[in-house]
Amino acid sequence: DTGVSQNPRHKITKRGQNVTFRCDPISEHNRLYWYRQTLGQGPEFLTYFQNEAQLEKSRLLSDRFSAERPKGSFSTLEIQRTEQGDSAMYLCASSLGQGTDNEQFFGPGTRLTVL
Amino acid sequence: KQEVTQIPAALSVPEGENLVLNCSFTDSAIYNLQWFRQDPGKGLTSLLLIQSSQREQTSGRLNASLDKSSGRSTLYIAASQPGDSATYLCAVGGFQKLVFGTGTRLLVSP
Repeated sequence: DTGVSQNPRHKITKRGQNVTFRCDPISEHNRLYWYRQTLGQGPEFLTYFQNEAQLEKSRLLSDRFSAERPKGSFSTLEIQRTEQGDSAMYLCASSLGQGTDNEQFFGPGTRLTVL
Repeated sequence: KQEVTQIPAALSVPEGENLVLNCSFTDSAIYNLQWFRQDPGKGLTSLLLIQSSQREQTSGRLNASLDKSSGRSTLYIAASQPGDSATYLCAVGGFQKLVFGTGTRLLVSP
């Protein structure tokens, strides 16, 4: 399978715990994005990497959230001290970044439930 | 700030009908527009990408148009099938990120 993969697919945690999600983009895609989707809403942008550089972060990404892409390949998104409001689907996407032909391809998502 | 609206929010049609989903956006300075399909509890599947210089794109039974000046895009689905039942999301592409609408939930009944 050469698509975007995400692990785990589901995560249930208790309030106050830390969680980490992983995204493996399509190989050779230099851009990687994280989005968050709550029930009944469209995905909302969280952050974006070009290679290993994190170039933009949304105001939604509070200081409890941190994302890395250490070698310009896979990325991790960590949430510290989880809150019930963090419950959502976390989606990762990747693209080649060719100007207006910048089609983003999404993974299956990680569904987080904070009890 | 870019805002994307999709109408209708939900649509139910019998199999075989042709249908149109609408998407509008407030800022015409866009790079591209993507239409996605999302099945319940799943990720997003890219259907069509229209670059800002293009007017339409076609893939099989799907045709998407883009009118930047009026801030509108439509997704036309021909001869709908029960397997087309899903949520369809419109996303406007800026330099780095996509801004999504809330989607149209489509149900095609046999």
